[in-house]
Amino acid sequence: KNEVEQSPQNLTAQEGEFITINCSYSVGISALHWLQQHPGGGIVSLFMLSSGKKKHGRLIATINIQEKHSSLHITASHPRDSAVYICAVETSGSRLTFGEGTQLTVNP
Amino acid sequence: SQTIHQWPATLVQPVGSPLSLECTVEGTSNPNLYWYRQAAGRGLQLLFYSVGIGQISSEVPQNLSASRPQDRQFILSSKKLLLSDSGFYLCACRGDANYEQYFGPGTRLTVT
Repeated sequence: KNEVEQSPQNLTAQEGEFITINCSYSVGISALHWLQQHPGGGIVSLFMLSSGKKKHGRLIATINIQEKHSSLHITASHPRDSAVYICAVETSGSRLTFGEGTQLTVNP
Repeated sequence: SQTIHQWPATLVQPVGSPLSLECTVEGTSNPNLYWYRQAAGRGLQLLFYSVGIGQISSEVPQNLSASRPQDRQFILSSKKLLLSDSGFYLCACRGDANYEQYFGPGTRLTVT
């Protein structure tokens, strides 16, 4: 069993839909990261959080430390949100362990 | 904020040839640096990390090595490439202020 599990693996949505991607982990962590990988491979950090909730524009990330679970929400989704979304947990030495990623496709 | 440079962007190398991928960082000093690999159809995996010049930690046994000759330079090397070394290699550093990880543009390596 992977230390970081994401669901779903693939997600197709219509423009404007509310989207949720889930991440569960099984190890003790110092922080959790949500990353976005574009088709060309480039990776952008969306959030780093260790408790509660963070919001950037249409993106919201939440984490429940007791349940070892995090969610990434996208409100009013748009085709430009299409990308792979990756959950990663940070352990000692600020090392990251990654989930397999969720491929999101938003159709116009 | 930090800027990470990686080169080359793409590389095709024959089996048994040597490899050298370079990563340099701007906008920070004494950063934690990381090499990750993403094999085709798989998630990212940490290969090496460094907390300072000459300090390298290896996460998985493999055909690769890393060096940090200068504070903001991180090099990934191999003496003899294997087919299984193909993948997308990303260099990253940890931010000073917010501890987020910043990623370079990556190098796509194909070993033939």
